[in-house]
Amino acid sequence: KQEVTQIPAALSVPEGENLVLNCSFTDSAIYNLQWFRQDPGKGLTSLLLIQSSQREQTSGRLNASLDKSSGRSTLYIAASQPGDSATYLCAVRPYGGATNKLIFGTGTLLAVQP
Amino acid sequence: DGGITQSPKYLFRKEGQNVTLSCEQNLNHDAMYWYRQDPGQGLRLIYYSQIVNDFQKGDIAEGYSVSREKKESFPLTVTSAQKNPTAFYLCASKDRDVGEQYFGPGTRLTVT
Repeated sequence: KQEVTQIPAALSVPEGENLVLNCSFTDSAIYNLQWFRQDPGKGLTSLLLIQSSQREQTSGRLNASLDKSSGRSTLYIAASQPGDSATYLCAVRPYGGATNKLIFGTGTLLAVQP
Repeated sequence: DGGITQSPKYLFRKEGQNVTLSCEQNLNHDAMYWYRQDPGQGLRLIYYSQIVNDFQKGDIAEGYSVSREKKESFPLTVTSAQKNPTAFYLCASKDRDVGEQYFGPGTRLTVT
């Protein structure tokens, strides 16, 4: 059974620092991995989608990597800003099956201090 | 402006009452999903639909029902049989080709 873990559960950093969020999954048979951002009381905003054949994706100050063989993904945020404060969720789409469902981690709550 | 809308944003109900949550998308996506989010837990799949007039149970379907009569709409009914309905409910849709899921703003349901 696929399980997704995100460590740490919470992280506080000073503004301007570069940081890395971690996501691990137990079964490497995935179709893709998606990183989301969630602000308090809001829906999820998709940040980056990495297909299983890709090693990384970049969008602005965000860079996500994927190592399927080790069951790991990282989200790198450069030059963090207070506006980056949110919960970051990763989710994998298991390979095969009919649901196309995502399996989510419990998230990392990020606080960027001004 | 393309996107997913959910209404209402907040919903309060008495125990024993059925309640329906709305989800509409104008992204022309075939697949739609309902997830439930509880504090300290990841999102869990309730129901999903790959195409109009077809839907399937997810991991926690007991006490819920859905319909998919139109491509744009996928309403979720929380019935009185759902033992712990208070939660944050999120609707999503997926582009078949890209595979990326897009989420609505959510509905927070409180049952007392």
